[in-house]
Amino acid sequence: GAVVSQHPSWVICKSGTSVKIECRSLDFQATTMFWYRQFPKQSLMLMATSNEGSKATYEQGVEKDKFLINHASLTLSTLTVTSAHPEDSSFYICSARDGQGRLEAFFGQGTRLTVV
Amino acid sequence: LAKTTQPISMDSYEGQEVNITCSHNNIATNDYITWYQQFPSQGPRFIIQGYKTKVTNEVASLFIPADRKSSTLSLPRVSLSDTAVYYCLVGDRGNQGGKLIFGQGTELSVKP
Repeated sequence: GAVVSQHPSWVICKSGTSVKIECRSLDFQATTMFWYRQFPKQSLMLMATSNEGSKATYEQGVEKDKFLINHASLTLSTLTVTSAHPEDSSFYICSARDGQGRLEAFFGQGTRLTVV
Repeated sequence: LAKTTQPISMDSYEGQEVNITCSHNNIATNDYITWYQQFPSQGPRFIIQGYKTKVTNEVASLFIPADRKSSTLSLPRVSLSDTAVYYCLVGDRGNQGGKLIFGQGTELSVKP
């Protein structure tokens, strides 16, 4: 299947700083990528839909100024958590479809963010 | 988007067959049913997808009745490594920009 790579796998940052997470589709072009966050023992919660060359579409309740999404190319989307606080500590996961008519999405390995 | 309902948790023993049922009463005509597996601290992994009747691949089978209001993921002869959370999702295959919304999932625990 198609491969989605996420980097970094884990990151620790201080409160008030910003953290960037990258999501790359390695062997296909993804016009649309999705960003999720997941708290312990909970399901994945969709944060936003990232569209190549245009603004991201955020789900209700997700602060667009705090979670900046950039989808500058067909293989790369980035999520920047700005002015991070401890409550932003979570597991962030990206996914993408390969546009080949299949419903299944391919997921990155996730990024564990810890804000101290 | 159709809402899905699954059991929160299930227990099984090694070597047994496990069947996880998902309800999706409001499934639309164009919707497909897809199951994902997630291990702790990893992204979900695609298991199987189907539209109707039965689909089988090397790891699982998916049974979908004629009314498509439910589906059953069947894992044959589970092992300890099958302990994971399993998610059932429904969505439009043709809508490449369509969102995938996860329900609560089923936490499967396989014991020796």
